[in-house]
Amino acid sequence: GQQVMQIPQYQHVQEGEDFTTYCNSSTTLSNIQWYKQRPGGHPVFLIQLVKSGEVKKQKRLTFQFGEAKKNSSLHITATQTTDVGTYFCAGRLGGGNKLTFGTGTQLKVEL
Amino acid sequence: DTGVSQDPRHKITKRGQNVTFRCDPISEHNRLYWYRQTLGQGPEFLTYFQNEAQLEKSRLLSDRFSAERPKGSFSTLEIQRTEQGDSAMYLCASSPRPGTGTWDYGYTFGSGTRLTVV
Repeated sequence: GQQVMQIPQYQHVQEGEDFTTYCNSSTTLSNIQWYKQRPGGHPVFLIQLVKSGEVKKQKRLTFQFGEAKKNSSLHITATQTTDVGTYFCAGRLGGGNKLTFGTGTQLKVEL
Repeated sequence: DTGVSQDPRHKITKRGQNVTFRCDPISEHNRLYWYRQTLGQGPEFLTYFQNEAQLEKSRLLSDRFSAERPKGSFSTLEIQRTEQGDSAMYLCASSPRPGTGTWDYGYTFGSGTRLTVV
């Protein structure tokens, strides 16, 4: 089973509201990446965080990596309909050499 | 180079038949990954290659699954004696070789092959 969990599983928001998804790992992550998958599409890489406590921003998106490197969050300010999709975190567990993907958070934005 | 290509896009097969999927990665990328995704779940790791060498294979993968990457270019994933539980989206991704330490490059995914076993 997947060792990287995300909450919530689903989120419906009104356009203009904020959205946050949380990613939690059972073990320390070497790094964390975030991907967006539009309905019917494939995952698209958004960003990578590698340092403990790191924060990165991309326009309305803010990504954080926890101090213990076991959790991460993605926050979207003032959601738009173009933000619709499923957001996945993915990380390298311990000394592994491949990415383990989280369970994903599906975001729906209503006008 | 237009990205990662996968063929076919869709495959419907009868239980017990063998199927083979192809992935053409971005030419400069020496790492190639196969993932499987079912509805409502995140991509699940199957196997990956660095150049032509298969470096890791998921323990969840039965011996009915085999993957190759001859000459370190395109890759094929074969499933023998398909079962209904094999129905899923099979995603291929590629990336440059990770750097030293803890950082990786983001994966570029193909559009996937959707397998339906009836």
